[in-house]
Amino acid sequence: GNSVTQMEGPVTLSEEAFLTINCTYTATGYPSLFWYVQYPGEGLQLLLKATKADDKGSNKGFEATYRKETTSFHLEKGSVQVSDSAVYFCALSTNAGKSTFGDGTTLTVKP
Amino acid sequence: KAGVTQTPRYLIKTRGQQVTLSCSPISGHRSVSWYQQTPGQGLQFLFEYFSETQRNKGNFPGRFSGRQFSNSRSEMNVSTLELGDSALYLCASSLEAGTDTQYFGPGTRLTVL
Repeated sequence: GNSVTQMEGPVTLSEEAFLTINCTYTATGYPSLFWYVQYPGEGLQLLLKATKADDKGSNKGFEATYRKETTSFHLEKGSVQVSDSAVYFCALSTNAGKSTFGDGTTLTVKP
Repeated sequence: KAGVTQTPRYLIKTRGQQVTLSCSPISGHRSVSWYQQTPGQGLQFLFEYFSETQRNKGNFPGRFSGRQFSNSRSEMNVSTLELGDSALYLCASSLEAGTDTQYFGPGTRLTVL
């Protein structure tokens, strides 16, 4: 079956530090890949997505590139802020409709 | 455009009872998916409905069921509640099924005593 493996957390960074959260996947076919973010007490929000190989998704300074050869979709941000503190989920979905999520990575950014 | 709404937001039940959760998708969205989120198991897929039909089902016992109405609103039912059913239940809607982006509601926090 399909699976998503995320870098284990929690991750603690100082403000303005560089962020990388690793995500790798296994899937049949050609999935779409997503990063979602969950702030305390809220549901998940789409952060960015990519639908085919070599696509780069970007939003709010975050980026991730769909790498088919390494089956990866790592999330990066050049300079994190305190307001980026949240739980980040990597996910994939296929035309069959069933979405698969990683376990989530908790990010804490300290001033 | 209003987002995905879920009711109730919080619920406390006792073991053996049953519960029904409701989800109203974004207007025009035809696909609704349900997830269970717990600290130990993460986010687990329950089922997906599209045009009133269940398209996919996760690995949950038959105590978990759902349905979708003609206006795309969806309900999820859990019968004979167990302590382990305590979780945040998230509903997500999308325009179409498959690889479309999902938009999540705030969730229903269920506590089973």
